[in-house]
Amino acid sequence: DSGVTQTPKHLITATGQRVTLRCSPRSGDLSVYWYQQSLDQGLQFLIQYYNGEERAKGNILERFSAQQFPDLHSELNLSSLELGDSALYFCASEREGHEQFFGPGTRLTVL
Amino acid sequence: DQQVKQNSPSLSVQEGRISILNCDYTNSMFDYFLWYKKYPAEGPTFLISISSIKDKNEDGRFTVFLNKSAKHLSLHIVPSQPGDSAVYFCAASDGFDNYGQNFVFGPGTRLSVLP
Repeated sequence: DSGVTQTPKHLITATGQRVTLRCSPRSGDLSVYWYQQSLDQGLQFLIQYYNGEERAKGNILERFSAQQFPDLHSELNLSSLELGDSALYFCASEREGHEQFFGPGTRLTVL
Repeated sequence: DQQVKQNSPSLSVQEGRISILNCDYTNSMFDYFLWYKKYPAEGPTFLISISSIKDKNEDGRFTVFLNKSAKHLSLHIVPSQPGDSAVYFCAASDGFDNYGQNFVFGPGTRLSVLP
């Protein structure tokens, strides 16, 4: 157990819809990262938040947005969903060390 | 343009033998490298890391070697065990500041350790 929690575990929705994925970092971790893993692909970095502020952006689509709240949990919002958005979405948190601790992921299926 | 490459999508090794997973990178600014292991239906878990000031780091059965001139690193698992069967991701970072790091992950190598 990494200490990072993600909800929901599975999400099935239709094209054009909007969903919100939630991540709670390890206690005390200020940084939250979001990654997307499509079928047979590596982990694609989407966005990082540090103590409530956006810190770095990766390959995140304009239809996607995220935020980190004062209690440090983070939400990833995906809108106007397309079939290609079906993937595993991971969040990870980091405190001071160099390794990130990953949550179990949310599997999103867009039908 | 993939900055971190793992050219072998899969690898099969006999139990008890050595597993060698390879990773190449293109960005010479990368100075910290990590290996993560991922089981199905779970998030990746940290395995071992190495800083660019070192060329080897060992932790039990796992050893990571870094060849900066070749921009290549490898993970050696000796001896390999069936429980090591998983997908292994190589990751690299070009710096650590007060806000954390931006990691670039490779596509992963699926290791199967055969009993």
